[in-house]
Amino acid sequence: LAKTTQPISMDSYEGQEVNITCSHNNIATNDYITWYQQFPSQGPRFIIQGYKTKVTNEVASLFIPADRKSSTLSLPRVSLSDTAVYYCLVGEAGSGGYQKVTFGIGTKLQVIP
Amino acid sequence: GAVVSQHPSRVICKSGTSVKIECRSLDFQATTMFWYRQFPKKSLMLMATSNEGSKATYEQGVEKDKFLINHASLTLSTLTVTSAHPEDSSFYICSATGTLPSYEQYFGPGTRLTVT
Repeated sequence: LAKTTQPISMDSYEGQEVNITCSHNNIATNDYITWYQQFPSQGPRFIIQGYKTKVTNEVASLFIPADRKSSTLSLPRVSLSDTAVYYCLVGEAGSGGYQKVTFGIGTKLQVIP
Repeated sequence: GAVVSQHPSRVICKSGTSVKIECRSLDFQATTMFWYRQFPKKSLMLMATSNEGSKATYEQGVEKDKFLINHASLTLSTLTVTSAHPEDSSFYICSATGTLPSYEQYFGPGTRLTVT
């Protein structure tokens, strides 16, 4: 499984754009990149997933360069409720169509008023 | 979106007893379910992967005789912590995934286990 490296913590003021970069130098050809958000004492919540280039949904954007050795989660105009731990995951595709992933330490984002 | 539930949300048990945690996919068929454990201020640690109708695959260092996993149907997986000890106290989270093309895992809300 590809190992991921991301900053342990980040602070941001409300209303700012936040970019969290994750390194995954050993990503395999069939690996997808997925980001999750976790609040204390809750299960992780899916944010976004991508394979290459750029993916955008209603809550975030994911930028993946051509070599796929890193990815950047972009959160536009964060609010206090975005304070959480953000995990970057890279998983191999299982034979049953599932993705087995390993959680890294995650990035603790603190949004400041 | 897909919903995964866990029951109970919190449980306190005495040392030496067994505790069963249920994980259900409410609106989709979960071909694969995962069980994680998370200690305070730590990341999630994958314990095992289970596919419906087959034996679970445990990660290295996880005792399969202590953490019994059953995935009897496409909507239900159970984790039984047998002969629980205080060091088993943790936050247990399950996730479920359906079929391709998405590899998204849908996580349950977690179960807080406290062993006294």
